[in-house]
Amino acid sequence: DQQVKQNSPSLSVQEGRISILNCDYTNSMFDYFLWYKKYPAEGPTFLISISSIKDKNEDGRFTVFLNKSAKHLSLHIVPSQPGDSAVYFCAASPTQGGSEKLVFGKGMKLTVNP
Amino acid sequence: DTGVSQDPRHKITKRGQNVTFRCDPISEHNRLYWYRQTLGQGPEFLTYFQNEAQLEKSRLLSDRFSAERPKGSFSTLEIQRTEQGDSAMYLCASSLPDNSYEQYFGPGTRLTVT
Repeated sequence: DQQVKQNSPSLSVQEGRISILNCDYTNSMFDYFLWYKKYPAEGPTFLISISSIKDKNEDGRFTVFLNKSAKHLSLHIVPSQPGDSAVYFCAASPTQGGSEKLVFGKGMKLTVNP
Repeated sequence: DTGVSQDPRHKITKRGQNVTFRCDPISEHNRLYWYRQTLGQGPEFLTYFQNEAQLEKSRLLSDRFSAERPKGSFSTLEIQRTEQGDSAMYLCASSLPDNSYEQYFGPGTRLTVT
């Protein structure tokens, strides 16, 4: 059973526009969320994170929004650049209980067209 | 380059053979994680170490799999009697003790079992 779901496998946007990547989770114990970016032939690269005590975290062009009641988070990239083209993974972790594993979604391929 | 390194990058083996992969984490990171990623899926947690102690293992880690981190630095992941279903990308990650959820990944070892 997928505890972290990225229901859209791909997204294509024009350079300069906003990219919005969505993620849903089912496990109420998750309280820390991360986004990773992955280029071909490389490992995932940490992008941005958010704790469940916040509903927004911003880092430059990247903003993550968390809606705990809906068990939904989203990553906004604005303005999108061709170099942002990659596969994006949403990940979550239950920080209580001693587990340090991350649970990942299946990923979404973002293509930013020049 | 001071990132996480993995060796080899690619391994092709015949079913029934044993294979061993190595991971060298970022030097000041005391936590080390192994994940497996199959086609179209996100990384799945296998196990993690804090220094030399193996603190958590996934049910995915069958008795054919063993991981070690003998001196709290590099780690090895061994798969005995490989099966075709073991074909996957094996990813290693490391993190600092004060922020273990922001994990930094290596490039992975791609295993193909023929």
